[in-house]
Formats: sequence, C-alpha cells, structure tokens
Amino acid sequence: TQLLEQSPQFLSIQEGENLTVYCNSSSVFSSLQWYRQEPGEGPVLLVTVVTGGEVKKLKRLTFQFGDARKDSSLHITAAQPGDTGLYLCAGVLGAGSYQLTFGKGTKLSVIP
Amino acid sequence: NAGVMQNPRHLVRRRGQEARLRCSPMKGHSHVYWYRQLPEEGLKFMVYLQKENIIDESGMPKERFSAEFPKEGPSILRIQQVVRGDSAAYFCASSPPVRGQNEKLFFGSGTQLSVL
Repeated sequence: TQLLEQSPQFLSIQEGENLTVYCNSSSVFSSLQWYRQEPGEGPVLLVTVVTGGEVKKLKRLTFQFGDARKDSSLHITAAQPGDTGLYLCAGVLGAGSYQLTFGKGTKLSVIP
Repeated sequence: NAGVMQNPRHLVRRRGQEARLRCSPMKGHSHVYWYRQLPEEGLKFMVYLQKENIIDESGMPKERFSAEFPKEGPSILRIQQVVRGDSAAYFCASSPPVRGQNEKLFFGSGTQLSVL
C-alpha cells in the first residue's frame, strides 16, 4: 500500500500550458516536501511546507499544503521544456521524525 | 562546494557477489541517510547514520545488508551475496548536524546496482 499517492502518473503538455499535480494521503504529515528528479540523478528539493493551508511560490511553481495536512498540490504556470522531470512528494509522518515517505512521482514532459 | 558524492555511479555484480556503495556527505554534514529506489517505485528509507553510530536501520533488510559511517572516510552500504531483486538505484543524502522540521536533505546522484 502506497502511503502517498501521486497523480497523474504521467503528464505530457505543450510549452506554455498550465498544470497541476497532486499528492494525496489518508495520513497526516507534520511536513511535506516536493522534489524534482532528472534521469540518472538524485532528487533535488524544491520546497518544504509545514503549516496546513500553507501556500509557497517559487517563480512559476506554486505549492499548497492541504488544511488537514494530508495532501498537497504543485501548480506550474506557463510550463517550459526545462520543467521536464519526475516530481516527487515526500512527507514526514511525525514531528521530530527524519524518515521521508516518498510517493512514486509524476513524470512530466513539456513539449516545445 | 562539492555536493554529496556517491561512487561508483554504476555497479554490476553477479548473483552471490558483494556490493559496496560509498557516500561522502557534503562538507560540514554529519548525518547520512540511505534510500533505495526500485524500478517504478518511490524511494524507500533504509538507514540513518551519524558518525560512528547507526541511529535507525528500520528500513534495512534484516539479512545481507549493513551500513557504516566511520569517524574518517565515507559512509558504506554493503550488500552481501547479492540477488537479482537487489537491482535498484541507491541514493545517499546528507544533512547538517542540527535536525529540524524544515531540514533540507541533499541527495547524491546515486549508484545504479545491476545484478546479473
């Protein structure tokens, strides 16, 4: 059973389009992180969200943590080919814990 | 400012051989974590180490797998008598000495282990 479900699994869009990917769980997380991973490389941290309802912006990327801290979304505005990659969400289950529980990721392809 | 260094990048072993994966954390980082990524699966936590101490190895298989982080030198993940199911990408991450809720983990580029 996957604790963090990410959807969609695959997404292919044209350059300039907007998109949203989701990370859902039935468990409550004390914090949640989003990573981007490119083929043959390790994940690179994009953002950490901690408070329920929190919204963080990173240029064209907007991250939201659900009010109940069970889900999160990543919205990309005007996608560019450089946004192509595997987007992973990862949560920490308990305060003070260090184990990250990862979703399987959303594989995004942005076509020029 | 070197990041987390893992070597080798690719490792091929035959069934029954031993695999040794190395990880040098970022400068100033004393916490090391190992994660495994199986094909089409998310990354799974294996073990958390500080210098000379294993803090949490709850994600490690009970047999054939061991990890260490000596006072000097890199962290080593050792897999004895490898089987085909051990084929995966193994990632190491490091973090600074002080743990917090917003802790930033820095991942290495991984070692791709292939067992023939």
